[in-house]
Amino acid sequence: ILNVEQSPQSLHVQEGDSTNFTCSFPSSNFYALHWYRWETAKSPEALFVMTLNGDEKKKGRISATLNTKEGYSYLYIKGSQPEDSATYLCAPTSGNTGKLIFGQGTTLQVKP
Amino acid sequence: DVKVTQSSRYLVKRTGEKVFLECVQDMDHENMFWYRQDPGLGLRLIYFSYDVKMKEKGDIPEGYSVSREKKERFSLILESASTNQTSMYLCASSLTSPSYNEQFFGPGTRLTVL
Repeated sequence: ILNVEQSPQSLHVQEGDSTNFTCSFPSSNFYALHWYRWETAKSPEALFVMTLNGDEKKKGRISATLNTKEGYSYLYIKGSQPEDSATYLCAPTSGNTGKLIFGQGTTLQVKP
Repeated sequence: DVKVTQSSRYLVKRTGEKVFLECVQDMDHENMFWYRQDPGLGLRLIYFSYDVKMKEKGDIPEGYSVSREKKERFSLILESASTNQTSMYLCASSLTSPSYNEQFFGPGTRLTVL
């Protein structure tokens, strides 16, 4: 079983602050890394799927980078808004299968 | 619009009861998954299926079984519910491998076993 670590576990920021979280995973046998956002009372939704070392993806104010050689990914949120409040989950794949191994998540609370 | 639906949002059952959780997807996805989510533990894979009548154990299959008779439907069965199976259960689906196909999740079923 892959060991996936996310930090911090939780984060409280003010509206307008920029923030970032980390996902660490074993670098061997890497195929892809997924990021999901899970808002309260909703379903988790995919933010990014990243496959190549050095990949950078962006969606609005949210961006992510990937380092497969050292086994980490960063998620950045620029100018956080209350609607960004959610749990952010990262998940590398278990080999080249459809299976994901989820980290425990980072819960972000953005105060107006 | 892609959709994964689960039969119940909230369910309360008694210890020893047989419990069925149903999941239906309308995207013609080959892969379907059942997870449970507990505080501080993230999403843990119970079972997954990559085709009709095919299934594989995930990381925590004990106490559970699954059924996939049709491509769009994946059922999770608790043969004899126990209190330690109180949890949030999430179903998901995706296109078949490779590994960069995102998963689409249902709304979840919060199961309480008394």
